[in-house]
Amino acid sequence: RKEVEQDPGPFNVPEGATVAFNCTYSNSASQSFFWYRQDCRKEPKLLMSVYSSGNEDGRFTAQLNRASQYISLLIRDSKLSDSATYLCVVNPGGYQKVTFGTGTKLQVIP
Amino acid sequence: NAGVTQTPKFQVLKTGQSMTLQCAQDMNHNSMYWYRQDPGMGLRLIYYSASEGTTDKGEVPNGYNVSRLNKREFSLRLESAAPSQTSVYFCASSEVTMGNTEAFFGQGTRLTVV
Repeated sequence: RKEVEQDPGPFNVPEGATVAFNCTYSNSASQSFFWYRQDCRKEPKLLMSVYSSGNEDGRFTAQLNRASQYISLLIRDSKLSDSATYLCVVNPGGYQKVTFGTGTKLQVIP
Repeated sequence: NAGVTQTPKFQVLKTGQSMTLQCAQDMNHNSMYWYRQDPGMGLRLIYYSASEGTTDKGEVPNGYNVSRLNKREFSLRLESAAPSQTSVYFCASSEVTMGNTEAFFGQGTRLTVV
């Protein structure tokens, strides 16, 4: 089993739709979790950290389910500008060595 | 504020040639990293430097060397390029360990080895 797994997509959704991505991780001792966004042929940028209690930033909500070992990202009222690849990042607890998922591609359609 | 600057942005090498990818950050970060990104593989860590004067191997270090020249600069060297090293290379930095804080990435270097 891969350390971090994501559905590569693409997820094609109409503007205004709600879309959710999951990311599973194999190491139950993993300590911290993040979602990064990567636009086509650009560098990754932090979208949000994922807290145990869940957290929300505008239209974006991140959740952590430790029992089932996954994190999720929910995007409400999708905009064309949300089209990107979303990378799940997991800190398995080893010093420095976070693990990146391969990313989930989202395409928001007019 | 430039953030993380990588040079060059594009490079084509012949098999066996050598080159150095340069990376500099102006955020006074302690930790710096080199990743490669291949289709379907995600970002894989080549080398990292927890602080000035230290470097450690990541997941895929073979064929690469690094130098943490000072707190700002972290270079990646390919001594004898191979087609398998065709990839997009990203340098990143973070204030402390990436697992506990935001990482900032450079714009990437697109390297093709023919």
